[in-house]
Amino acid sequence: GAVVSQHPSRVICKSGTSVKIECRSLDFQATTMFWYRQFPKKSLMLMATSNEGSKATYEQGVEKDKFLINHASLTLSTLTVTSAHPEDSSFYICSARDRGHEKLFFGSGTQLSVL
Amino acid sequence: LAKTTQPISMDSYEGQEVNITCSHNNIATNDYITWYQQFPSQGPRFIIQGYKTKVTNEVASLFIPADRKSSTLSLPRVSLSDTAVYYCLVGDIPSGGYQKVTFGTGTKLQVIP
Repeated sequence: GAVVSQHPSRVICKSGTSVKIECRSLDFQATTMFWYRQFPKKSLMLMATSNEGSKATYEQGVEKDKFLINHASLTLSTLTVTSAHPEDSSFYICSARDRGHEKLFFGSGTQLSVL
Repeated sequence: LAKTTQPISMDSYEGQEVNITCSHNNIATNDYITWYQQFPSQGPRFIIQGYKTKVTNEVASLFIPADRKSSTLSLPRVSLSDTAVYYCLVGDIPSGGYQKVTFGTGTKLQVIP
């Protein structure tokens, strides 16, 4: 099936710094990508929908200035956690819809730990 | 968006067939049903997708009754490596529209030796 590559897989940062997470569709074009957050033993929570060439659509309660999303090309979306705090520590996952296969594929996730 | 309801957890012995049922009473005409598997600290992995009746692939079968208000994922002869969380998603994924997909609670399957 299609491959979605997400990097880094794990990042540890100091409080107050910013962290960028990349999500790439390797063998298909993705006009729409989704970003999720997942706490231990909980389900995935949709944070935002990333649309190529336009602004992301954020879910209620998700701060757009805190979680900056850029979808500059058909194969790359980035999530930047700005001025990270310990409560931002979580598992972040991206996904992309492959129109050719009519399915949603997920990245391997990024474990963010803010000290 | 159709809300889904699944059992929180299930236990099964190795070698048995496991059936996980998902309820989606307000499924829309254009919605497909998709199942994903997730291991700890990994992204969800696609298992199977269907619209109606029965779909089978190399790892699972998906049974969807005529009213489409529920679906059942069937895993034949499970092994310890099938221990994971299984999510049922309902949405208009193939349409090409900007339809967001939200996850329910999922079912934690524990396979016992």
